[in-house]
Order: sequence, then C-alpha cells, then structure tokens
Amino acid sequence: DAGVIQSPRHEVTEMGQEVTLRCKPISGHNSLFWYRQTMMRGLELLIYFNNNVPIDDSGMPEDRFSAKMPNASFSTLKIQPSEPRDSAVYFCASSRQVGVLNEKLFFGSGTQLSVL
Amino acid sequence: DQQVKQNSPSLSVQEGRISILNCDYTNSMFDYFLWYKKYPAEGPTFLISISSIKDKNEDGRFTVFLNKSAKHLSLHIVPSQPGDSAVYFCAASGNNAGNMLTFGGGTRLMVKP
Repeated sequence: DAGVIQSPRHEVTEMGQEVTLRCKPISGHNSLFWYRQTMMRGLELLIYFNNNVPIDDSGMPEDRFSAKMPNASFSTLKIQPSEPRDSAVYFCASSRQVGVLNEKLFFGSGTQLSVL
Repeated sequence: DQQVKQNSPSLSVQEGRISILNCDYTNSMFDYFLWYKKYPAEGPTFLISISSIKDKNEDGRFTVFLNKSAKHLSLHIVPSQPGDSAVYFCAASGNNAGNMLTFGGGTRLMVKP
C-alpha cells in the first residue's frame, strides 16, 4: 500500500490567495483526520471524517478553513483567504475506523504551507 | 490550554546512553497514551502505547512508563542510537474517544555518535 498521500508537498502563496491541500487516505480506511503542526501548539486536530461525513470540525480555527471528503479516496482542506499565520505543516491521517482504541493513525508526509 | 504537554522542546543524548522523554497531561479522563515518532519531511509514525490499566509497556529498546497519580508518562530508549534522532510526540485519548488523539508539542531528540 502506498500509504496516505498528500499533495502538494510544499505550497508557497501570497496572503489573500486560496489554498487547497489534498489527501488520499489508505484504501479501506474509513476515517480521515486533518492535523496542523505549529511550533507553538504542536499537532492540532482540525477536523475528522468518518465514512466521508464530517464528524467534528471544532478544531477548525476560522471560517476561512473548510474541508470536504467527496468520496472515500479523496479529501481537501481549503483556506480562503489565506493569511501568514496559517503557515504550518498540515498533515492528513487515516485509520480503519474512528473511536476505537488500538486503531492506529497513519499519517501522510504533510504539506508545508508558507503564506507570505 | 494544552491538555498534553511536553515541556522539553529538545534533548541531546550520547549514543549508547538512555534517552528519557517526558510528557504531562491534565485531563483525568485520558486512559490511553501513545508515542509517535517523526523524521524530517515525513509524517508521524506510531511507536508504542500504554493503557491506563498498566504502568509499563516495553517493546525492544523502547519502554513507556505511566504514573497516573502524577498524570505523567515517559518514554525510555535504551540504548539510544543515532537513528533514533527524531521528533517524538506524546498523545492521549480518553472518555471513549478511542483513537481521537490529543498531541503534545513534541520533543526533538538528537543522539550523537
């Protein structure tokens, strides 16, 4: 299995531009998570999906952030408009199911976002 | 307020010696704890876990200790190897949240040859 695939690996954009991050979870995994890593706050959960349905988006920092999962093999995280404080590494992770102990999370390699 | 804290942002250890990474938590509902390891330009990968019914779990060179009364856990790596150099994240789950994890800020471990 190729693992969780994220694209792009790096994104540099200017303040005010729309940014779209993409994720392909591991085939057969029913749960998908978006995390953000910053120096100040470490790894923060932004939103997670179960069976393509958003379950908890309480970690999404502002209305500028939105996430979708149109099918079991694809998810996007969009920031519109982007701001310099959004600069971080964004990780996507998947697991076979959510809410079950011992169900490990498998992370992608992340997208390094820089908003100038 | 961060519910899982790793107060040491970095740690440097000589090869062959013991590495001890610490983690504190505030939420008494947490009952499952994990350590993830992250190399540069890669995503975190699962390393070891422990349930609150235990106070120790060992896997090869890696041992996690849990002190529930102190709300503290630690990861011991013995002996440390240069390949262990990475960022280590402590994570916790609880209150029937299953694999919904709250992560700490991470500790960068550097093992010097």
